[in-house]
Amino acid sequence: KQEVTQIPAALSVPEGENLVLNCSFTDSAIYNLQWFRQDPGKGLTSLLLIQSSQREQTSGRLNASLDKSSGRSTLYIAASQPGDSATYLCAVMTTDSWGKLQFGAGTQVVVTP
Amino acid sequence: DTGVSQDPRHKITKRGQNVTFRCDPISEHNRLYWYRQTLGQGPEFLTYFQNEAQLEKSRLLSDRFSAERPKGSFSTLEIQRTEQGDSAMYLCASPETSGNTIYFGEGSWLTVV
Repeated sequence: KQEVTQIPAALSVPEGENLVLNCSFTDSAIYNLQWFRQDPGKGLTSLLLIQSSQREQTSGRLNASLDKSSGRSTLYIAASQPGDSATYLCAVMTTDSWGKLQFGAGTQVVVTP
Repeated sequence: DTGVSQDPRHKITKRGQNVTFRCDPISEHNRLYWYRQTLGQGPEFLTYFQNEAQLEKSRLLSDRFSAERPKGSFSTLEIQRTEQGDSAMYLCASPETSGNTIYFGEGSWLTVV
């Protein structure tokens, strides 16, 4: 059974610092891995999607890497801003469960001005 | 706005009452997923539909839960005889046919008192 773990559970940084969020998964037979952002009481917003054949994806200040063999992904957010404060969730889609996501518990990020 | 709408956004109900949530997915997407998210956790899969057919149900979906998707359009999730443990946010997801992008609704918050 696929298990997804996110470390740390919470993170607080001053504005301008780079953020590093970690995600690990136990079953390397994945179709893709996605990073989502969730603001309090809101739904999920997709940030980056990495296909299983890819090593990384970038969008603006965000960069996500994927090492399928070791079961790890890292989300980097450069030059953090207070508006980046949110919970970041990692989710994997396994090859035997197309369309269904297995989520980690998330990392709650606070960026202080 | 992701194009996926959920109603109601918030529901407070007394233990033992029935509640129903509705999801309107993106019209051209033929799959629809329901997830449940409790505080501090990532969303957990409940069930999904391919058009009007319910193809998979999680063990989390007890006999008190029922979901439908008549005519493959909107979907409803009904919880009968609610319990305090049902308090959570219920999320609807509408994936693209490729599975690459998954659009989530804003969620329906349920509080059972």
